[in-house]
Amino acid sequence: GQQVMQIPQYQHVQEGEDFTTYCNSSTTLSNIQWYKQRPGGHPVFLIQLVKSGEVKKQKRLTFQFGEAKKNSSLHITATQTTDVGTYFCAPEGGSYIPTFGRGTSLIVHP
Amino acid sequence: EAQVTQNPRYLITVTGKKLTVTCSQNMNHEYMSWYRQDPGLGLRQIYYSMNVEVTDKGDVPEGYKVSRKEKRNFPLILESPSPNQTSLYFCASSLTGTGTYGYTFGSGTRLTVV
Repeated sequence: GQQVMQIPQYQHVQEGEDFTTYCNSSTTLSNIQWYKQRPGGHPVFLIQLVKSGEVKKQKRLTFQFGEAKKNSSLHITATQTTDVGTYFCAPEGGSYIPTFGRGTSLIVHP
Repeated sequence: EAQVTQNPRYLITVTGKKLTVTCSQNMNHEYMSWYRQDPGLGLRQIYYSMNVEVTDKGDVPEGYKVSRKEKRNFPLILESPSPNQTSLYFCASSLTGTGTYGYTFGSGTRLTVV
């Protein structure tokens, strides 16, 4: 599967602060998906990005796909305790086999 | 309700005793996949299936078997479990292999091999 590096591995924030996680690949990606896994839960699909430079928003979440389609980011504005969990990117490199990054665990302190 | 159902949720077994984890989806999805999740390693793909009777190895297939005799079911078989297969396992499905509509995950099976 497609290899990617997801950073940071962990992020502690105070409630109300912003949060960003990055997903980087050394090769061009066909598309990339993002998932959220709550503690003790299972991954839940958030969004898929396909086009170069694409930006999509879901309320306080902003997803970006790089111009070269080698990286992506998820930004959360004004975090809330409900945002706690692990965020995974899952890129596809053209073989239609998604590979998950190691995830970024977000801890929000009230 | 559209869902992926895994059973059992929790399983403790002994080394060498064959076991099967079942996975069933009711969404008529073509693509199904098994992952294992270990601390610090994220989700690693074990096997996947693009359709009935079509299966292929993922990144960590050693020690596992799968079958896809029906579209809705994709069981994971451990012929001779070992302690290093202690992990959290997830089954996932998607309408197509490209995941355009995202992957739906089951609730997970926590396996302990002693």
